[in-house]
Amino acid sequence: DVKVTQSSRYLVKRTGEKVFLECVQDMDHENMFWYRQDPGLGLRLIYFSYDVKMKEKGDIPEGYSVSREKKERFSLILESASTNQTSMYLCASSLAGRAQSEQFFGPGTRLTVL
Amino acid sequence: QQQVKQSPQSLIVQKGGISIINCAYENTAFDYFPWYQQFPGKGPALLIAIRPDVSEKKEGRFTISFNKSAKQFSLHIMDSQPGDSATYFCAASMNRSGGGADGLTFGKGTHLIIQP
Repeated sequence: DVKVTQSSRYLVKRTGEKVFLECVQDMDHENMFWYRQDPGLGLRLIYFSYDVKMKEKGDIPEGYSVSREKKERFSLILESASTNQTSMYLCASSLAGRAQSEQFFGPGTRLTVL
Repeated sequence: QQQVKQSPQSLIVQKGGISIINCAYENTAFDYFPWYQQFPGKGPALLIAIRPDVSEKKEGRFTISFNKSAKQFSLHIMDSQPGDSATYFCAASMNRSGGGADGLTFGKGTHLIIQP
């Protein structure tokens, strides 16, 4: 079974702190994604990566950055957390290929910024 | 600009009935249309997906109907069961001409309740 794990299920941080959210997948997937999920807004794409050290902005990249130093690991960084970044963060991975393939999601990290 | 519009926001269906969730998209470059199912406390999981070269795809009790000219697609759940109670998201994405990934654009979700 594909497994996508996220470092924390719940996280509470203070405004202005630097926050790292870690994601690891064990299926040798090339593609990895970070989404945030908010009630009534669905899931929105923050950043994604299709190869090590490669990154692409999604629909809402402002206030976030990412790092992918190893194929299996994709980190989301909040340089200076703000209260409007309180959300559920979901990581996903998928195989590369000519056609889109299934994205496998982790269980999510619920981040609260006070 | 919301590129994938989903309705209804919430839906209550009696056990054994048909649940129908609709989505409409704007970007004609989209060429992959999955539906994801999410239970509380879990990440979304792929339920069924369709590409625009077919008008319908069925997997068990779940069917996607796709209307390319109207830019609409829908999920039908036949013989709905209490275990189907979950949040459902439609999504869309496009292939990149040079390869590589592209993220999914999601609808806002439908909270489905199947009453026993």
